[in-house]
Amino acid sequence: EAGVTQFPSHSVIEKGQTVTLRCDPISGHDNLYWYRRVMGKEIKFLLHFVKESKQDESGMPNNRFLAERTGGTYSTLKVQPAELEDSGVYFCASSPRTSASTDTQYFGPGTRLTVL
Amino acid sequence: GQQVMQIPQYQHVQEGEDFTTYCNSSTTLSNIQWYKQRPGGHPVFLIQLVKSGEVKKQKRLTFQFGEAKKNSSLHITATQTTDVGTYFCAGPGGNTGKLIFGQGTTLQVKP
Repeated sequence: EAGVTQFPSHSVIEKGQTVTLRCDPISGHDNLYWYRRVMGKEIKFLLHFVKESKQDESGMPNNRFLAERTGGTYSTLKVQPAELEDSGVYFCASSPRTSASTDTQYFGPGTRLTVL
Repeated sequence: GQQVMQIPQYQHVQEGEDFTTYCNSSTTLSNIQWYKQRPGGHPVFLIQLVKSGEVKKQKRLTFQFGEAKKNSSLHITATQTTDVGTYFCAGPGGNTGKLIFGQGTTLQVKP
């Protein structure tokens, strides 16, 4: 069984540019989460999809961040325009069930975003 | 809002020494999960504790969940260089599945 995959693994962009991160969850997993880890700090929740619906987007920093999960399969996270403080590692995680508070979350390898 | 605090932030040990990281939540947790992230890697699930006072072991790793379900610890006996990485505890932030992570404890092991 393939794990969670993310693309790209690294992205270096200039302030003001746009970047789109992609996550492919484990096949059949309804729950998809985005998290971010800024250098040396904790992993912070951004948002949660159940299938194609946004269940919780309370962690999204501001309206420069837009996440989608069309068709309930892969998800994209777009940052437009990027700011310096957006730098960090963006992790995607998935879990199987719709009532997910006790589910194991399987993390992808992350996308390291650097905004110059 | 809900917070999960973890100490210490860093720990350097000699190979063979023991290591412990502590996790405290500002709220009672229905469960607590532990993850390990190797340098350059991604968080990998280690274990989940659900019951008050629960203790679980995985080889040299011992995980405890406090009686009040607000704190937890991970203890590694006789560390090895393969134990190097950052250990995170995480609790559910509500019942939707999102996780609230502690800041992590980064373990360095000197051979």
